[in-house]
Parts: sequence; C-alpha cells; structure tokens
Amino acid sequence: DAGVIQSPRHEVTEMGQEVTLRCKPISGHNSLFWYRQTMMRGLELLIYFNNNVPIDDSGMPEDRFSAKMPNASFSTLKIQPSEPRDSAVYFCASSSGAPGPGYTFGSGTRLTVV
Amino acid sequence: GESVGLHLPTLSVQEGDNSIINCAYSNSASDYFIWYKQESGKGPQFIIDIRSNMDKRQGQRVTVLLNKTVKHLSLQIAATQPGDSAVYFCAENMREYGNKLVFGAGTILRVKS
Repeated sequence: DAGVIQSPRHEVTEMGQEVTLRCKPISGHNSLFWYRQTMMRGLELLIYFNNNVPIDDSGMPEDRFSAKMPNASFSTLKIQPSEPRDSAVYFCASSSGAPGPGYTFGSGTRLTVV
Repeated sequence: GESVGLHLPTLSVQEGDNSIINCAYSNSASDYFIWYKQESGKGPQFIIDIRSNMDKRQGQRVTVLLNKTVKHLSLQIAATQPGDSAVYFCAENMREYGNKLVFGAGTILRVKS
C-alpha cells in the first residue's frame, strides 16, 4: 500500500488566492483526519470524517476553511481566500476506526502564503 | 513584532545511551495513548501505544509507561541510535469527543555520535 497520499507537497500562493489541498487515504480506511502543524500551535486537528461524513469540524479556524470528502478515496481541504497566517504544514491521516497502530499520516503539504 | 512559538524541550543523548521522553496529558478520561516520531519533512509515524488499563507496554527497543494518577506518560528508548533523532509526540484519545486524538507539543531528541 502506498500509504496516505497528499498533494501537492509544497504550495506557494499569494494572499487572497484559493488553495486546495488533496488527500487520498489508505484503501479500506473509513476515517480521515486533517491536521495543521505550526511552530506557534503545534499539531492541531482541524476536521475529521467517518465514512465520508464530517463528524467534528470544531478545529476549523474560520469560514475561509472548508473540507469535503466526496468519496471514500478522496478528500480536499480548501482555503479561500488564503492569508499569510495560514502558512503551515497540513497533514492528512486515515484510520480504520478508533485510533490505533493503523492511524497513518501522509507526508504533508507545506503551504506558504505570501 | 517578534512571533512567539512553541519552545519544544530538547533532549540530547549520547549514542548507545537510553533516552526517556516525558509527556503530561490533560484528560483523565482519555483511554488510549500513542507515541509518534516525526522526522524532518515527514508526517508523524506510529511508535507504540498503550491503553488506560495498562501501566507498561514494551516494543522493540521502546517502552511506554503510563501513570494515570498524575496523568503522565513516558517513552523509553533503549540504546539510542542516530536514526532516533526526531521530534516525539504523545497523543491522547479523547473518546468522549468521538475518538479524537489530541497531540502534545513534542520533544526534540538529538543523538550525539
């Protein structure tokens, strides 16, 4: 299995532009998580899905952020409009249920908003 | 103005020595804990886990200890190697919030050869 696949690996965009981050979870995993990692706040859970349904989006910082999971093999995290303070590494993780050894992270997308 | 970031604690150990990384967790109702290792440019990687009904669990070269009385978790790495250099995070599973993993700030481990 290729693991959790995120794209792009790096994204540099100008303030005000729309940014879309993509994630392909491990096949068969029914839970998907989006995290943001910054030096200021560490690793924060933004939103998670169970069977493609958003369960908890309390970590989404504001309305500029949205996430979708149209099917079991794909999810997006969108920021519109982007701001410099959104610069961070965004991780996607997937699991087959409750957290466990199978809770696997992708390699992340490093977003820089200038 | 100058931004203030997380000041991660750093543990420096000599190659071959044992390492102990500590973590305090917040929720006494958390029922499951995981240690992750994060190398530069990579996502966190699972190391070892422990359930709240246990106080010790051993893996290959790693041991996790759980003290629920003081809400403290530790990761012991035996015979630390240069490849162990990374940031280590503990995470607690907050079951009452729908199996939500909450991560600690992390500890930097530096192994000197």
